[in-house]
Amino acid sequence: DGGITQSPKYLFRKEGQNVTLSCEQNLNHDAMYWYRQDPGQGLRLIYYSQIVNDFQKGDIAEGYSVSREKKESFPLTVTSAQKNPTAFYLCASSMTSGRARETQYFGPGTRLLVL
Amino acid sequence: GQQVMQIPQYQHVQEGEDFTTYCNSSTTLSNIQWYKQRPGGHPVFLIQLVKSGEVKKQKRLTFQFGEAKKNSSLHITATQTTDVGTYFCAGPNSGNTPLVFGKGTRLSVIA
Repeated sequence: DGGITQSPKYLFRKEGQNVTLSCEQNLNHDAMYWYRQDPGQGLRLIYYSQIVNDFQKGDIAEGYSVSREKKESFPLTVTSAQKNPTAFYLCASSMTSGRARETQYFGPGTRLLVL
Repeated sequence: GQQVMQIPQYQHVQEGEDFTTYCNSSTTLSNIQWYKQRPGGHPVFLIQLVKSGEVKKQKRLTFQFGEAKKNSSLHITATQTTDVGTYFCAGPNSGNTPLVFGKGTRLSVIA
């Protein structure tokens, strides 16, 4: 089955700790995205990548970091600099980015909670 | 930059009533997309509209794209409990940047 997987489903972070959220896709998509969703809120773009070894900041990149070493993988690290990390994190991919008709396919999400 | 506004933010309806959510853009859009997110789930692509004045139907869902391509609506006829969720519209940004999502309309259906 083609799709996007995210792990873990739930993640707990202690104060001062960095944590990494996994996102893998086997859709052969070039572009990948990370969004943050707070309860009752919309989707806010954290980072996106249009091609391997390249990525750009979204609207709320502070306190987060990403890498794109492989086409299939786009892990997100929530650093200790992110003071309010409790949220639902969604990874998405699209065939390419910036082409007007591209649709995004979302993974099941990871819920991050701070202890 | 590009902004996509959605109203209402929340809507509670009795089962069987109709529901409409509206999406407005600050700029002309080449296309608009709609997504649905069930409670606890992830957004799922529903449809894309491209042409001015376009109307598309999916069973009880009717999607419209405005003549000026700056607004869109999603109308659900005779809501069912399976329609519960948040509906997002999204439009392309300028240049080579990702889609811009509206904040969504959360629909609750009371049986």
